[in-house]
Amino acid sequence: NAGVTQTPKFQVLKTGQSMTLQCAQDMNHNSMYWYRQDPGMGLRLIYYSASEGTTDKGEVPNGYNVSRLNKREFSLRLESAAPSQTSVYFCASSVGQGAHLALHFGNGTRLTVT
Amino acid sequence: QQQVKQSPQSLIVQKGGISIINCAYENTAFDYFPWYQQFPGKGPALLIAIRPDVSEKKEGRFTISFNKSAKQFSLHIMDSQPGDSATYFCAARNTDKLIFGTGTRLQVFP
Repeated sequence: NAGVTQTPKFQVLKTGQSMTLQCAQDMNHNSMYWYRQDPGMGLRLIYYSASEGTTDKGEVPNGYNVSRLNKREFSLRLESAAPSQTSVYFCASSVGQGAHLALHFGNGTRLTVT
Repeated sequence: QQQVKQSPQSLIVQKGGISIINCAYENTAFDYFPWYQQFPGKGPALLIAIRPDVSEKKEGRFTISFNKSAKQFSLHIMDSQPGDSATYFCAARNTDKLIFGTGTRLQVFP
């Protein structure tokens, strides 16, 4: 099993450009999450989806949009990238609906915005 | 009140020693306290977790100690090994979010 797969692994954007980070899980999990990780700040929740067809804001949703395409896939879109969005982005999934328990993380997308 | 404060920021331990990482919280609504381990270039992985109705949970060399009255919990790594060198995150959950600490970078030297 691949678990949680994120693409791309690395990306460099110019300020104002847009991009979509892709995430797919093959564990039949109900919930999916997007976190960002910044030095000295731990992981902060951007958006999550408790089940197919639902999405909710986390701690730091501004500047991002998400789509729960189906049970397997949850994408994160930056419409107009800013240098403050330079970060490592992690997608995660868990069995329960919106339970935030026992998260399985992907290996991240390292994004640099210049 | 939603914060989880983690210390120390970094920790150096000799092989065979005990590594101790501490976390403190304020929100008494938190009901689940996991620890995640992260190796460079990888995503965090769940290591061990505890509920507040239990004071201690042990899995192999890893133990969580939980003090509900003090609103503190800690991770103890017994017989620390070089392969344990990683960043460790504590976290606390309430109904709709999981709040992470800022991480502890552990280095275990042979």
